[in-house]
Amino acid sequence: DQQVKQNSPSLSVQEGRISILNCDYTNSMFDYFLWYKKYPAEGPTFLISISSIKDKNEDGRFTVFLNKSAKHLSLHIVPSQPGDSAVYFCAASKPGTYKYIFGTGTRLKVLA
Amino acid sequence: DGGITQSPKYLFRKEGQNVTLSCEQNLNHDAMYWYRQDPGQGLRLIYYSQIVNDFQKGDIAEGYSVSREKKESFPLTVTSAQKNPTAFYLCASRPQGSDTQYFGPGTRLTVL
Repeated sequence: DQQVKQNSPSLSVQEGRISILNCDYTNSMFDYFLWYKKYPAEGPTFLISISSIKDKNEDGRFTVFLNKSAKHLSLHIVPSQPGDSAVYFCAASKPGTYKYIFGTGTRLKVLA
Repeated sequence: DGGITQSPKYLFRKEGQNVTLSCEQNLNHDAMYWYRQDPGQGLRLIYYSQIVNDFQKGDIAEGYSVSREKKESFPLTVTSAQKNPTAFYLCASRPQGSDTQYFGPGTRLTVL
């Protein structure tokens, strides 16, 4: 049972445009969400996170939006750059567990 | 400088042999995690440890074993009971009170 889903395996965007990566979850107990970026043959690196008490968190070019009623979050990258080309994973956790469920990832390709 | 190291980067083993993957961190983090990643799939949790001398099974612990005798080290043994061990293995650590995980570069295990 996939509790965290990233339904788009891949996404291509032109340089300078907005990239929107989506993530859906099924467990309403999740209260903390994170996005990681991963290059091939490397470990993921943390990008941005959001707590369920917020609906938006921004860090430079990266913004995460959370819609609790729809159990949906999205990562916006503006403007997209070729160096953003990577696989992006969303992850979720329940309160106090520090155990994280990852989605299957979306491969973003930013075209120059 | 601080970080997480995993060795070796590539590992080959014959079917039926046990193999131990190393994970060391000098970040003084309390928690450590082991994940595996298969093509087209997200990161799946094998084992995690919130504190020295304690660890819990993740979602796919069968065929794996761990130990946490030192804060800095969390080795993973892939036993011959693991039916499909060929995968990319990622180790992560997390400081107390934070949800952000810091990942190592990974070990690609191939069973011949």
